Amino acid sequence: DQQVKQNSPSLSVQEGRISILNCDYTNSMFDYFLWYKKYPAEGPTFLISISSIKDKNEDGRFTVFLNKSAKHLSLHIVPSQPGDSAVYFCAASVGSGGSNYKLTFGKGTLLTVNP
Amino acid sequence: GAVVSQHPSWVICKSGTSVKIECRSLDFQATTMFWYRQFPKQSLMLMATSNEGSKATYEQGVEKDKFLINHASLTLSTLTVTSAHPEDSSFYICSATSRAGGSDTQYFGPGTRLTVL
Repeated sequence: DQQVKQNSPSLSVQEGRISILNCDYTNSMFDYFLWYKKYPAEGPTFLISISSIKDKNEDGRFTVFLNKSAKHLSLHIVPSQPGDSAVYFCAASVGSGGSNYKLTFGKGTLLTVNP
Repeated sequence: GAVVSQHPSWVICKSGTSVKIECRSLDFQATTMFWYRQFPKQSLMLMATSNEGSKATYEQGVEKDKFLINHASLTLSTLTVTSAHPEDSSFYICSATSRAGGSDTQYFGPGTRLTVL
């Protein structure tokens, strides 16, 4: 059972436009959410996170929105750049620390930013 | 930033042999390391949680006798795939937690591509 779902396997946007990547989750115990970026043959790189006590977190061009009632979060990238082209993974956990800090990942969305 | 390395980056082995993968935190001490596996077009699946100086905790469905994990120091964890078979071919990624700013962040290694012939 996929507890974290990224229903769009791929997304293509034009440079300078907004990229919106979506993620849904089913486990209501999740209270910490993260986005990772991954290039081929490399490990994921942490991008941004959000705690369930917030509904928005912003870091430069990256903003994550959380809608707890809908069990939905999204990552906005504005403006999109060709270097943003990668696979983006949504991840969730119960709690945000300690030795039991386990991440559950979605399948990822391949973002392609066209020049 | 925190750097996690893995060795080897790729390995090809014959069926029935054992393969050891190392995961090192280069510039920080990690009391906890995690091992993930990723099949093509699938998500990263947590295999086990490795705590320094104690036995690893395996996720449901992961055979602990097949995937041996040793976390001998605060900067090194190893995963040994014993008696590897073609179905074990996958991308294995480790992560290590670093506590900075009061919260834990998982930093991932670059992964190891295992191909079992």
